[in-house]
Amino acid sequence: EDQVTQSPEALRLQEGESSSLNCSYTVSGLRGLFWYRQDPGKGPEFLFTLYSAGEEKEKERLKATLTKKESFLHITAPKPEDSATYLCAVQSLYGGSQGNLIFGKGTKLSVKP
Amino acid sequence: GAVVSQHPSRVICKSGTSVKIECRSLDFQATTMFWYRQFPKQSLMLMATSNEGSKATYEQGVEKDKFLINHASLTLSTLTVTSAHPEDSSFYICSGTSGALGGDEQFFGPGTRLTVL
Repeated sequence: EDQVTQSPEALRLQEGESSSLNCSYTVSGLRGLFWYRQDPGKGPEFLFTLYSAGEEKEKERLKATLTKKESFLHITAPKPEDSATYLCAVQSLYGGSQGNLIFGKGTKLSVKP
Repeated sequence: GAVVSQHPSRVICKSGTSVKIECRSLDFQATTMFWYRQFPKQSLMLMATSNEGSKATYEQGVEKDKFLINHASLTLSTLTVTSAHPEDSSFYICSGTSGALGGDEQFFGPGTRLTVL
């Protein structure tokens, strides 16, 4: 069964304190791994897509990396406006529904000034 | 680019009534649209997938007669919750994807908070 597990569930950081969020996955053939940011009461906002092990992508203070079993979202020198829930999702090559994303429960990040 | 809107953003209804939620892709043609439901502190759970002009494909456990989906055009999909009950109260989010955007990314709407009294 395809599955996504994110850790930690919640993370509190001081402004400027760098850290990483983990996304472990099992999937019957990875088509893509996606990172989204979700603010309270809002829909997810697309951040990155990673397709193969060893791939890395960066955007401002965020950097996503991928291995065959997990992905990391590294946050460098975070600011309070980075506070949000970060969602990881995978898409299987053999998924039942076209383009079906399987989401983890997310990591709620709080950055204190 | 890749903006998706939803209307309404919030709706409160009485038990037994029907509610329609609209999802529009504003600056791209969404060949495929998805409807998700999210309960507090839970993952997004896919309810159904729809392609323009075709019947929606529902995930296991989702009642197709209760959650009616219409993907009438490449920019509009609607979800109608029929005979709503309090247990249908949730956050409903749609997303769209298009091969023309160059990848498999889904772009999400802002969500609709449904409360059934």
